[in-house]
Amino acid sequence: RKEVEQDPGPFNVPEGATVAFNCTYSNSASQSFFWYRQDCRKEPKLLMSVYSSGNEDGRFTAQLNRASQYISLLIRDSKLSDSATYLCVVNLFSGGYNKLIFGAGTRLAVHP
Amino acid sequence: NAGVTQTPKFQVLKTGQSMTLQCAQDMNHEYMSWYRQDPGMGLRLIHYSVGAGITDQGEVPNGYNVSRSTTEDFPLRLLSAAPSQTSVYFCASSYSTRGAGSYEQYFGPGTRLTVT
Repeated sequence: RKEVEQDPGPFNVPEGATVAFNCTYSNSASQSFFWYRQDCRKEPKLLMSVYSSGNEDGRFTAQLNRASQYISLLIRDSKLSDSATYLCVVNLFSGGYNKLIFGAGTRLAVHP
Repeated sequence: NAGVTQTPKFQVLKTGQSMTLQCAQDMNHEYMSWYRQDPGMGLRLIHYSVGAGITDQGEVPNGYNVSRSTTEDFPLRLLSAAPSQTSVYFCASSYSTRGAGSYEQYFGPGTRLTVT
């Protein structure tokens, strides 16, 4: 079983749609959580951190459920520019250092 | 700041050749790492360094060597290239990884490597 699992998609949605991505992680000792965005043939970039209380950044909302080991990302009012791959990332703290574990990503394609 | 830079952007090697992928950062980050990204696999950690002179293996270290003689540079060496090493390689850095917090990782633009 992969340590971080995501639905690979692609999710094909029209502009203005609301889309949700899910992610599960296997290590209950995971301490912090992130969503990164990766455009086609580009490097990943941090989109947002995910907090236990849930957090929102404009049209993006991230949720964490530690009991179920589940993370979600909701995008409202999708724009063409949201088309990208969204990587779920989990941080493990072990031996005094942090280690990031990446999911394989979920691809989003927003069409006119 | 240039951030994280990588060279070359593209490279084709023949099986058995060796080469070095260059990575540099100008943000005075302690932590640097190398990942490879393959379709459907996500980013996998090859080697990492928590400071100059300190390196350690990640998830998939075989066939690769690293060194960290300065804070800025973290080259990745392929000792004897194999077709299985065809991949996209990303270098990343962050301020630190010590303590129970976590710091944003900044990625370079990647090197697309093909081994024939």
